[in-house]
Amino acid sequence: DAKTTQPPSMDCAEGRAANLPCNHSTISGNEYVYWYRQIHSQGPQYIIHGLKNNETNEMASLIITEDRKSSTLILPHATLRDTAVYYCIVFYGGATNKLIFGTGTLLAVQP
Amino acid sequence: SAVISQKPSRDICQRGTSLTIQCQVDSQVTMMFWYRQQPGQSLTLIATANQGSEATYESGFVIDKFPISRPNLTFSTLTVSNMSPEDSSIYLCSVGIRGRPGANVLTFGAGSRLTVL
Repeated sequence: DAKTTQPPSMDCAEGRAANLPCNHSTISGNEYVYWYRQIHSQGPQYIIHGLKNNETNEMASLIITEDRKSSTLILPHATLRDTAVYYCIVFYGGATNKLIFGTGTLLAVQP
Repeated sequence: SAVISQKPSRDICQRGTSLTIQCQVDSQVTMMFWYRQQPGQSLTLIATANQGSEATYESGFVIDKFPISRPNLTFSTLTVSNMSPEDSSIYLCSVGIRGRPGANVLTFGAGSRLTVL
């Protein structure tokens, strides 16, 4: 699986959009970009994933560049409960199906 | 998505002893994984729990230290054997349904926090 690069930490004001970047320059054509988050003392929680097109669900939006070498997770209106470590993972999901976590970004939402 | 129950949620153990962690899922799943999260660190995959056969271990993890059972599609156990303080971590069970690429979303349990004295 391709490796990802994320900033170790970011701050965001409550109510504002949080934009979390991820670089995955060695992503393969069949690998998806997945985002999970881990709130303190909890197990990771799935947020969203995509292949080429931008995706949106009730939690977030995922913007993938045309060359697929980077992506951005957008939380449109961050709340204090969104404070967590956010993991960007590139993942094929084939026979081996192993999700390998990097170091992630600690997002601190400030009041 | 599946609901996972992990037991125990936390435990304090003595050096040299072993502890078995249980992962119970409320529905049948095709994929089960065990992860370790050391203090202040990200998650590291220990092994894939295979139903009816030996688990598939990642580099750095061995069956003698982390024996895993998976007797059916809803249950698995991870044993941490001959524990040392370095084994103090959160151990997490993760499950999913194997499907076409792009359709594989894993659900994680809350974890079992283990402290070894």
